[in-house]
Amino acid sequence: EAQVTQNPRYLITVTGKKLTVTCSQNMNHEYMSWYRQDPGLGLRQIYYSMNVEVTDKGDVPEGYKVSRKEKRNFPLILESPSPNQTSLYFCASSPTGRIGETQYFGPGTRLLVL
Amino acid sequence: AQSVTQLDSQVPVFEEAPVELRCNYSSSVSVYLFWYVQYPNQGLQLLLKYLSGSTLVKGINGFEAEFNKSQTSFHLRKPSVHISDTAEYFCAVGNSGAGSYQLTFGKGTKLSVIP
Repeated sequence: EAQVTQNPRYLITVTGKKLTVTCSQNMNHEYMSWYRQDPGLGLRQIYYSMNVEVTDKGDVPEGYKVSRKEKRNFPLILESPSPNQTSLYFCASSPTGRIGETQYFGPGTRLLVL
Repeated sequence: AQSVTQLDSQVPVFEEAPVELRCNYSSSVSVYLFWYVQYPNQGLQLLLKYLSGSTLVKGINGFEAEFNKSQTSFHLRKPSVHISDTAEYFCAVGNSGAGSYQLTFGKGTKLSVIP
């Protein structure tokens, strides 16, 4: 089944404790992206990647890192999480990233930073 | 720069009644327009999209949307809603120019279908 998977689905952590949220897709897509969803703000893009070793900032990259060492994986790293990073995070992918393409979303990771 | 405004944050509607979810956009160039739906505890999935051609776009689950360039709108409609349509709906806009890879999402409209 074609899908985007994220792990963990739920995470509670404390301020300053480094964490990684994994994202993997099995559709051989070149483009992958991370969004955060906050009530009343909709989805905002954090980082995106056009292909292996190619990443770029979205609208709200502060406090986040990403890497793209393999085509299928695009982990999101919070090196020193803070409470304002409490949010619902979505990973998405599409074949090449061109705007007309459909993006396929993972199920989401709900993060609480205490 | 592009932006999206979803005029209603919440829309309650009775089952089998029609519904319209409003979306307005602003952009200095030609755009592509999308509606995504997020069912409870799930990720987003595409309902429909406008890239070019006919301004009336039909999507899954009986939804349709009409692109109105003069009013910069892309409202989503369904003639008769079902309980299973209860979800959050997001309008999104993308720049159709070459080299553009970012979608801008609206803040979402929560549709509640009342039995």
